[in-house]
Formats: sequence, C-alpha cells, structure tokens
Amino acid sequence: DADVTQTPRNRITKTGKRIMLECSQTKGHDRMYWYRQDPGLGLRLIYYSFDVKDINKGEISDGYSVSRQAQAKFSLSLESAIPNQTALYFCATSDPASGAYEQYFGPGTRLTVT
Amino acid sequence: DQQVKQNSPSLSVQEGRISILNCDYTNSMFDYFLWYKKYPAEGPTFLISISSIKDKNEDGRFTVFLNKSAKHLSLHIVPSQPGDSAVYFCAASAERGGADGLTFGKGTHLIIQP
Repeated sequence: DADVTQTPRNRITKTGKRIMLECSQTKGHDRMYWYRQDPGLGLRLIYYSFDVKDINKGEISDGYSVSRQAQAKFSLSLESAIPNQTALYFCATSDPASGAYEQYFGPGTRLTVT
Repeated sequence: DQQVKQNSPSLSVQEGRISILNCDYTNSMFDYFLWYKKYPAEGPTFLISISSIKDKNEDGRFTVFLNKSAKHLSLHIVPSQPGDSAVYFCAASAERGGADGLTFGKGTHLIIQP
C-alpha cells in the first residue's frame, strides 16, 4: 500500500462549488504539505502543517483553507472554486527530526474547475 | 521572481551516455538541495540530495554537484537508461531543514533515446 494517498485522484467541479481534497499518510510523519503544480511550472507551496495544532500559509494560500484532523490526515479545501485553480495538487510529508529532509509525495489529484 | 531556475525545459540524451541536468538558485539562505523525478500521473519521487556543506553526493548512477559560489547545482546520470525518461525537478530549502516547504524549479523533461 502507498505511504501517502490522496483522494480523489481526479475531480471536475463547477465555478463557485466547495471542494475538499484529502490526504492520508502511514509514514508516521509530523509534517505535511500541500502543493499545486500548473503546466510548465514547478510545484508551489499552498499550506503546511507541523502537527495538528500548527498550520502555516505557504506561497499561494489565497482561496484555500486546510484542516489537520489527525497526524495522518491533512485536507485541502477550496471554499468557492474558480477556473484558475485548475491544477495538479500534491500532498507531501516529511520527518526532519530523523535527519532526512526529503519530502514524500502522494500521487496527486487532478482538479478541473469549469 | 524565481528563486530556483531550471533553464532547460527539455533534454534529449542517447541511452548509455551521460545526462547532465542543471539548476541555478538565487536565495543565499538555501542550505539543502534535492532532486526529484516525476513520471506522468505520479507524484514526484525523491532521487538524491546534497547539503550546502558538501560539494558532491553520489548514489549509484546519480551524482549531484554543488557550486555554492556560483549558486549552481547539477545532476549527473551515468549511464542513462530508458527508464530515466521523466521530468526532473530541482528543489531547495532554507534553514530549518525544509520545515517551511521546498522551493521548486520548473523542471527539465529528460528523454533517453535508444
């Protein structure tokens, strides 16, 4: 089984709708992240969380909100979706306390807002 | 303003030859650098990393070189294999071991030709 899972894998929604993307991990990592990728661009950080009580905005947080329901679960919400939020969304985890700084990514959610 | 730059959108290399992917950065606070590999419809996969206190790190066919004075790093793949065809992202983190998330370049699409 994959260590970092994302649901749904694909979603088409209409402008103005609320949508939630979910991420779960079995790696036991405290740190979780949400990124988005647009065509021809690298990944950009939306939000990150150190633990259930510590959530921080990233580079492009406007229009998004997050919820860390448990150590293993981190959800991203679009309160009122707009077409320019059409993108690939990736969740990631890390465990810097172990001395390793790499992040482990889920398979991504392809979101289309029409 | 892009802090991590990968100026070659694509690179074509013959199987068995060396692939060299380049990355430049502008933020002097970056102290840890990573390379990720991404196949279509999958999340990025960690490949290799280097700390700013080193100038070289090797892992099998993959070697990363860091030139701090030039703010430049490169990934060497020797020998290149068909399975290496993917998009490669360079990423960097500032202090705190990437706790605040990674900054990514736009990626280089490596194509290994038989």
